[in-house]
Amino acid sequence: GQQLNQSPQSMFIQEGEDVSMNCTSSSIFNTWLWYKQDPGEGPVLLIALYKAGELTSNGRLTAQFGITRKDSFLNISASIPSDVGIYFCAGRGGKLIFGQGTELSVKP
Amino acid sequence: GAVVSQHPSWVICKSGTSVKIECRSLDFQATTMFWYRQFPKQSLMLMATSNEGSKATYEQGVEKDKFLINHASLTLSTLTVTSAHPEDSSFYICSAGRDDFMNTEAFFGQGTRLTVV
Repeated sequence: GQQLNQSPQSMFIQEGEDVSMNCTSSSIFNTWLWYKQDPGEGPVLLIALYKAGELTSNGRLTAQFGITRKDSFLNISASIPSDVGIYFCAGRGGKLIFGQGTELSVKP
Repeated sequence: GAVVSQHPSWVICKSGTSVKIECRSLDFQATTMFWYRQFPKQSLMLMATSNEGSKATYEQGVEKDKFLINHASLTLSTLTVTSAHPEDSSFYICSAGRDDFMNTEAFFGQGTRLTVV
């Protein structure tokens, strides 16, 4: 079946640093979505990407849909403490497939 | 973004009883809703796809008689965990896609923490 490999699994950074995480797949996806999940809450959509090569920003967040349609990355610039949480990528070919998540910790 | 509301946010029940979880799309109609299960520190696992007016489609390994899904209207889907046991304890999350986005985007409910004692 389709699988997404998300890395890194966890990150411990200092406030103000930039963050980068990515997802790769052996399958092609039509859509890439990036979510953030806080403890005890459902995922919240951050960025949606619909076209290969598309680069989209949402505030300090930037995400790109890879040219091959098999990968995507998410960058967070100038991290702040409230960026703490688990970030998931998700690819849609038919169903929505989730990556394993990247747990982000930000030290003030 | 679209709003999906899930209720209750947490529930504790005795082993052998049944628990119903509701998922509502508040500001849009959703012909399709999805139910996920999430264990601590793990990703979301799709359990089933709920289709308005028809039977749900279950993923491999998910017992349809154990996890009953009803999608009676364009804004409401329910998941009933029947004869719950401690191993059913988990975080259950629903999502819905707006038809005008052809289900491209998925918006999630707040999740329900089920604890079976």
